[in-house]
Amino acid sequence: QSALTQPASVSGSPGQSITISCTGTSNDIGDYHSVSWYQQHPGKVPKLLIYEVTKRPSGISARFSGSKSANTASLTISGLQAEDEGDYYCSSFTSRYTLQFGGGTKVTVL
Amino acid sequence: EEQLVQSGGGLVQPGESLRLSCEASGFTFSVYWMAWVRQAPGKGLEWLADIRQDGSDSNYADSVKGRFTISRDNNKRLLYLQMNYLRAEDTAVYHCARDEWHTYGYDLWGLGTLVTVSS
Repeated sequence: QSALTQPASVSGSPGQSITISCTGTSNDIGDYHSVSWYQQHPGKVPKLLIYEVTKRPSGISARFSGSKSANTASLTISGLQAEDEGDYYCSSFTSRYTLQFGGGTKVTVL
Repeated sequence: EEQLVQSGGGLVQPGESLRLSCEASGFTFSVYWMAWVRQAPGKGLEWLADIRQDGSDSNYADSVKGRFTISRDNNKRLLYLQMNYLRAEDTAVYHCARDEWHTYGYDLWGLGTLVTVSS
């Protein structure tokens, strides 16, 4: 099972928008709606930002949005803020009834 | 307050076994799928296993299939991960996690317990 492919790093200035991609295959992202995104700050547990491609849990800022096209899912962070710095992970259900995480993307606010 | 409190980590030698526990509080444990996820030092997240609400179905990552067993006791509100034949590459922080209405979005995480496999 190969990890979903994410860029190692993405950066942006405060107020800008950034997009993190997560590329899989037709056996995961392409065929299923169970794509999630997590934010993790150093030494902290992951925090669920998006589930089922586009849904935000209660309490998650509308600055975070998700989408999917074919085998690639994306997380967009609008109005980038200093506290958005951290690691971001995507995940997807797979045809083998497992969950696959992406390798993670480090977001830096310039 | 909804919580997952973990216990059972530690230092073991290669080939040995260890059982992790995760106690749920503040929510109805028995209605949720649950999962285990680990994170090796400085590395990304790795999904290990999940289990149906009543324990009748479970799934495993290839990396742990046949060595690890996920189970639960709904009466005690406990989730377990029995880890056998541990290897150095199993060294990681292990988290239990709650599956948000089986959407595969994990909305509640335990703080994690460190498992170190070394001779």
